Amino acid sequence: RKEVEQDPGPFNVPEGATVAFNCTYSNSASQSFFWYRQDCRKEPKLLMSVYSSGNEDGRFTAQLNRASQYISLLIRDSKLSDSATYLCVKILLNYNQGGKLIFGQGTELSVKP
Amino acid sequence: DTGVSQDPRHKITKRGQNVTFRCDPISEHNRLYWYRQTLGQGPEFLTYFQNEAQLEKSRLLSDRFSAERPKGSFSTLEIQRTEQGDSAMYLCASSPPGVWGAEQFFGPGTRLTVL
Repeated sequence: RKEVEQDPGPFNVPEGATVAFNCTYSNSASQSFFWYRQDCRKEPKLLMSVYSSGNEDGRFTAQLNRASQYISLLIRDSKLSDSATYLCVKILLNYNQGGKLIFGQGTELSVKP
Repeated sequence: DTGVSQDPRHKITKRGQNVTFRCDPISEHNRLYWYRQTLGQGPEFLTYFQNEAQLEKSRLLSDRFSAERPKGSFSTLEIQRTEQGDSAMYLCASSPPGVWGAEQFFGPGTRLTVL
């Protein structure tokens, strides 16, 4: 089983729609979580961190459920510019404050006019 | 541009040849990471440096792969005797000191095609 699992999609939604992505993870020891966005043939870029209390950044809401080992990302009022691949990521922290990122497969979103 | 830079951006090589990629991290970032991404998959961790010390290597990093960061600034990733399975995007990332689990900033990647 992969450490981070996502539905690869694609999710095809009309502009203005609300879309939700889910992600499950295993090996829950001592880690933090993120959503990254990756445009076609570009590098991944941090979208937002994910906290147990839930966090919101404009139209984006992320939630972490440690008991169920489940992470979600909600995008409200989708824009054409939201079309991208969304990567669910956990970081395995080590003693020297660094950490390797463990990525899910990514979920492809296509927002249509 | 003060972001992470990688060179070359694209590399086409024949099977069996050696290739070397370079990564220049953001200035003053002491941590540098290499990842590999194949089509339709998320990036996979390869190795990690803190300053010039290589602190972790993935089992994905076979003995044909070697990475260095001799002066704690830029890093190189060399692949010897390339195989078609090495075809992928090789991504470099860096992060600053002093923050636990700091954000990793990615470079544009080097796309390798092995014929």
